Amino acid sequence: EVQLVESGGGLVQPGGSLRLSCAASGFTFSSYAMSWVRQAPGKGLEWVSAISGSGGSTYYADSVKGRFTISRDNSKNTLYLQMNSLRAEDTAVYYCAKVITMVRGVIITGFDYWGQGTLVTVSS
Amino acid sequence: QSALTQPASVSGSPGQSITISCTGTSSDVGGYNYVSWYQQHPGKAPKLMIYEVSNRPSGVSNRFSGSKSGNTASLTISGLQAEDEADFYCSSYTSSSPWVFGTGTKVTVL
Repeated sequence: EVQLVESGGGLVQPGGSLRLSCAASGFTFSSYAMSWVRQAPGKGLEWVSAISGSGGSTYYADSVKGRFTISRDNSKNTLYLQMNSLRAEDTAVYYCAKVITMVRGVIITGFDYWGQGTLVTVSS
Repeated sequence: QSALTQPASVSGSPGQSITISCTGTSSDVGGYNYVSWYQQHPGKAPKLMIYEVSNRPSGVSNRFSGSKSGNTASLTISGLQAEDEADFYCSSYTSSSPWVFGTGTKVTVL
């Protein structure tokens, strides 16, 4: 059974940093691209970032480019999101999601499994 | 990258069929067959319902079906049931982003 368990959320001041983790199990982690998707309170889903199975390719939404860094440790079956220079508008539940497949190494085809999410609140 | 456009709400009575539209551009929905749909109940994680426009993952009811015409994708729920009441999001690969979600549609079962 595929399981994705996020951790690391919490309250942080504007300008601060936080690192999210996502522990994966039930599938060959290194064979699949992974992604982060967030949802602000009462709002819709927003794609944040993705990383290839090897970790060699990364992708970011314009809203987080230059501030967030996605990475993975395939030996630990864990996905990370390092978030720096946090802003109030980054407040959201952050979901870890498994990518169905990547076509030609760059085209994400969708997300078939999701974690339960971890809440990040940016406030003074 | 702007979000794909969905109606804010759609409603129907039990047993009826409803259709949710998802409008994008030739750079996303119209240009690629990588449209997927997600169901989200309050306080829960999204669940994949349709991928690659019209494919259903195992375990998803055949009451859910997807299609696409030009820059607009659609999700149809037939035989509407009380448990279908939820938020639904479309999404697509986009050449500029590389992924974008729709604005979301609240489905209400009357």
